[in-house]
Amino acid sequence: GNSVTQMEGPVTLSEEAFLTINCTYTATGYPSLFWYVQYPGEGLQLLLKATKADDKGSNKGFEATYRKETTSFHLEKGSVQVSDSAVYFCALYTGRRALTFGSGTRLQVQP
Amino acid sequence: DTAVSQTPKYLVTQMGNDKSIKCEQNLGHDTMYWYKQDSKKFLKIMFSYNNKELIINETVPNRFSPKSPDKAHLNLHINSLELGDSAVYFCASSQDTGGNQPQHFGDGTRLSIL
Repeated sequence: GNSVTQMEGPVTLSEEAFLTINCTYTATGYPSLFWYVQYPGEGLQLLLKATKADDKGSNKGFEATYRKETTSFHLEKGSVQVSDSAVYFCALYTGRRALTFGSGTRLQVQP
Repeated sequence: DTAVSQTPKYLVTQMGNDKSIKCEQNLGHDTMYWYKQDSKKFLKIMFSYNNKELIINETVPNRFSPKSPDKAHLNLHINSLELGDSAVYFCASSQDTGGNQPQHFGDGTRLSIL
């Protein structure tokens, strides 16, 4: 079956540090890949997506590249801010009209 | 205007009661979903409806019954609530064009069973 594995959190960084949150997946076929972000007390929001191998999704300084050979979609940001503190979810879509989510990674950015 | 709205935001009730959560989207999407998020933030699909038709029912107890009166609404009714039902329930919607379209989430309904 389909599954998404994310690194355990929480990830605690100082402001302006470099961020990487690892995500790997198992899926049949060629899934679309997503990163969603959940701020405290809110629903999930799409952060970025990639729909085929070697695509790079980017938004708000975050980037992730669809790596088919390593079945990975790691999230990166060059310089995090306190306002980036949230829970980040990696997800994939394979056509059953629902997303399969990873377990989420909490990011805490300290001033 | 809120794109996906759920009510209520908080729901505190006793074991054995029956409750409903309502969801409405004003995006014109034709697919709607219910997800359950447990205390560890793990998010899992429960149901998916496309144009009022049930598409996915992921091994959810039959105490949970979704109802879609039209494609803009997907309500969730829960009978005989149990302690393990305590969670945050998220409604979402998307335009069903092959999976590349993002899902838009409501702010969640936090259900607490006493």
